[in-house]
Amino acid sequence: DAEITQSPRHKITETGRQVTLACHQTWNHNNMFWYRQDLGHGLRLIHYSYGVQDTNKGEVSDGYSVSRSNTEDLPLTLESAASSQTSVYFCASSVTGTGGEQYFGPGTRLTVT
Amino acid sequence: GQQVMQIPQYQHVQEGEDFTTYCNSSTTLSNIQWYKQRPGGHPVFLIQLVKSGEVKKQKRLTFQFGEAKKNSSLHITATQTTDVGTYFCAGERTTDSWGKLQFGAGTQVVVTP
Repeated sequence: DAEITQSPRHKITETGRQVTLACHQTWNHNNMFWYRQDLGHGLRLIHYSYGVQDTNKGEVSDGYSVSRSNTEDLPLTLESAASSQTSVYFCASSVTGTGGEQYFGPGTRLTVT
Repeated sequence: GQQVMQIPQYQHVQEGEDFTTYCNSSTTLSNIQWYKQRPGGHPVFLIQLVKSGEVKKQKRLTFQFGEAKKNSSLHITATQTTDVGTYFCAGERTTDSWGKLQFGAGTQVVVTP
């Protein structure tokens, strides 16, 4: 069965360190998204991609970067982790075009100390 | 700021009662989706509404899309303990790129037996 996975599921890191969160989907979806979820804010879009070599900034992209070298993966990198980036991170994917439901991964809980 | 507003933020319901959660956008939407997130889980797609004035039902859940395509509602009848979770609306704005969703902050539902 097709799925979307994230790793690690939990991560504790120190301020200033570089951290990469992995997202892998086997749906063969062109669209992939990264969100962060914090209490009272719902899901906020960090970065998104419509296909290989395509990346776009979302509403809260400062301090984050992504790259898309293949269809299946969209890793999220925190260049220099800050305590404000402590959050739960969700990756999602959807089919090309408008109106496609998004399939979410299980999430990564990141704590920056 | 939050372009899609959801109310109420919290909803305590007695088992068997009905309740409604509302979603309002400051801009016209091409479609709106609803997701449910169980405690500790990830968002799961429930439904998508596309047409002005559209009404869709899923068992005890009734979803509506406003005539102006700026608001939506989710009504649950005869609430059960399995309805516990956070319900998010997510709108795709007509001015945005395809597939990009603006999520509301969610309505957290607690059911008292």
